[in-house]
Amino acid sequence: AQKITQTQPGMFVQEKEAVTLDCTYDTSDPSYGLFWYKQPSSGEMIFLIYQGSYDQQNATEGRYSLNFQKARKSANLVISASQLGDSAMYFCAMREYRGNQFYFGTGTSLTVIP
Amino acid sequence: DGGITQSPKYLFRKEGQNVTLSCEQNLNHDAMYWYRQDPGQGLRLIYYSQIVNDFQKGDIAEGYSVSREKKESFPLTVTSAQKNPTAFYLCASRPGAGANVLTFGAGSRLTVL
Repeated sequence: AQKITQTQPGMFVQEKEAVTLDCTYDTSDPSYGLFWYKQPSSGEMIFLIYQGSYDQQNATEGRYSLNFQKARKSANLVISASQLGDSAMYFCAMREYRGNQFYFGTGTSLTVIP
Repeated sequence: DGGITQSPKYLFRKEGQNVTLSCEQNLNHDAMYWYRQDPGQGLRLIYYSQIVNDFQKGDIAEGYSVSREKKESFPLTVTSAQKNPTAFYLCASRPGAGANVLTFGAGSRLTVL
């Protein structure tokens, strides 16, 4: 079974609008961390936001917020006030604390339209 | 500035040749990782190392080899046994036990002619 599932291969959003990128995960480990990374066309992976499984509040970092719904095993990324520079691939990832591996989804390509 | 340096950025190889991708970090991180990225498949783990002189296979280790003789260096060799080596390769590191966030290099794009 896939550890991380991203069901949206591509998304479009109007500049200045908000967009939600979906991510569901699968684990039996009670302790885990969830991450979102941005990959521009240059290829480098840029860390955006982190959510721990025991965190009571949803993580926020500037225009990025993580909508963490533990019972549904979802960790959606919300980008508010989209900018043209947000156009990139976005990857959801998970690390189970009992191991050292990070599992990545297949990514969502976001295009911001002027 | 601290970071991860991968070289070369672009590499072309003839079939049957081994090639080594360099990964150097000056972040004093204990753990280092190699990922392969193909279109539509996300990142897949090749090898990772938690400490010097120790490394573990990831999900797609066949046809690859690594070494970890120094804390700051984790080179990846793509051998002739790797049947489809054309891909984008990403090196990453993190501080160590309990630390979560992976820091990535800029990647190396390998093309087999």
